[in-house]
Amino acid sequence: DAGVIQSPRHEVTEMGQEVTLRCKPISGHNSLFWYRQTMMRGLELLIYFNNNVPIDDSGMPEDRFSAKMPNASFSTLKIQPSEPRDSAVYFCASSLVPTRGYTFGSGTRLTVV
Amino acid sequence: EDKVVQSPLSLVVHEGDTVTLNCSYEVTNFRSLLWYKQEKKAPTFLFMLTSSGIEKKSGRLSSILDKKELFSILNITATQTGDSAIYLCAVEASSGTYKYIFGTGTRLKVLA
Repeated sequence: DAGVIQSPRHEVTEMGQEVTLRCKPISGHNSLFWYRQTMMRGLELLIYFNNNVPIDDSGMPEDRFSAKMPNASFSTLKIQPSEPRDSAVYFCASSLVPTRGYTFGSGTRLTVV
Repeated sequence: EDKVVQSPLSLVVHEGDTVTLNCSYEVTNFRSLLWYKQEKKAPTFLFMLTSSGIEKKSGRLSSILDKKELFSILNITATQTGDSAIYLCAVEASSGTYKYIFGTGTRLKVLA
């Protein structure tokens, strides 16, 4: 089992550019979560999907953020246009509810300059 | 508003010490509480607690939940330098949704 796979591991981009983060959940898991982690705010839930359907996107900070899950094995989080305050580590996690909580990916460290 | 508060924010101990990390919460329709350990990368799962008073144990780590007083503790005995990490507590906010709210974590540093 390869776990939750995220790409890229690191992303440095200029303000105003579009950024796309990718996630492949664990095969068989039916829920997928996008989190953002900063020193100031800790881990914040942005959006989660159940069976590929967005269930709650109340954590998405602005219209600049969007997420899709076109199938059970792939999800994207897009920021357009990016801003310096979007700099953070973005984690994707998946789970087979209702069992043992989430399995996290290794994260994407985003720096917007 | 649902919230999860962890204390202390940071802690420095020496190898062999015992530490207790705290997590208090205020959420509607509590369902479960999770503890995670985060070293340099992704958080890794430690425990899932759903019932009061039942201790979960894994080696030198143990955890217990008090649903009446709305808190959980994570104990680490005979600490080692490898226990240095951020310990995160997460609580399911609404029953059946499996959406967890995370605390900001306790940063533990164990000195040799």
